[in-house]
Amino acid sequence: EAGVAQSPRYKIIEKRQSVAFWCNPISGHATLYWYQQILGQGPKLLIQFQNNGVVDDSQLPKDRFSAERLKGVDSTLKIQPAKLEDSAVYLCASSLVGQGSYEQYFGPGTRLTVT
Amino acid sequence: RKEVEQDPGPFNVPEGATVAFNCTYSNSASQSFFWYRQDCRKEPKLLMSVYSSGNEDGRFTAQLNRASQYISLLIRDSKLSDSATYLCVVSAGNNRKLIWGLGTSLAVNP
Repeated sequence: EAGVAQSPRYKIIEKRQSVAFWCNPISGHATLYWYQQILGQGPKLLIQFQNNGVVDDSQLPKDRFSAERLKGVDSTLKIQPAKLEDSAVYLCASSLVGQGSYEQYFGPGTRLTVT
Repeated sequence: RKEVEQDPGPFNVPEGATVAFNCTYSNSASQSFFWYRQDCRKEPKLLMSVYSSGNEDGRFTAQLNRASQYISLLIRDSKLSDSATYLCVVSAGNNRKLIWGLGTSLAVNP
């Protein structure tokens, strides 16, 4: 079974530039999550989708971050404009059923460096 | 008080040692509990769920104490390959959002 796919794996941009990350969850997984993990910290949930609807985006900085999950499969996360403090690993995860009751499978992450 | 707290460590133990990690949570209505493992520069992977009655998987034992609001992870007969960061995860609320601890770093030495 193919795992969660993410691209790109690494990205270096200057502050105030824009960047987009892509995620393809495991086939059949209805729930998709985007996390931000800063070095030395645990993952922080940015947004959770159930199919193509948003379940939780309370920690998403909506002035600069946006995410969408068209057709309830792939998802993109965008940052515009980026700040230095956005340097982190952006992890995408999926699960069969949401609401925290089932195992989440993570992709390899995108390591973002903002200079 | 943080929603989920862990001792960041690092814990340095010799091979064969027994090591235990604790994790405390603030929301008494928390419903689900997990331990994830994260290797350096890798993504987190589920190690085990934590059930009310406690559960064991080989050398790993997880326990939940609802009264004191903590969960624990015990690793027996530590292996070099156990070196990693162990993340405590708790879900609560209507949408059962997952709250992650900062992780506990374990280094098993030969």
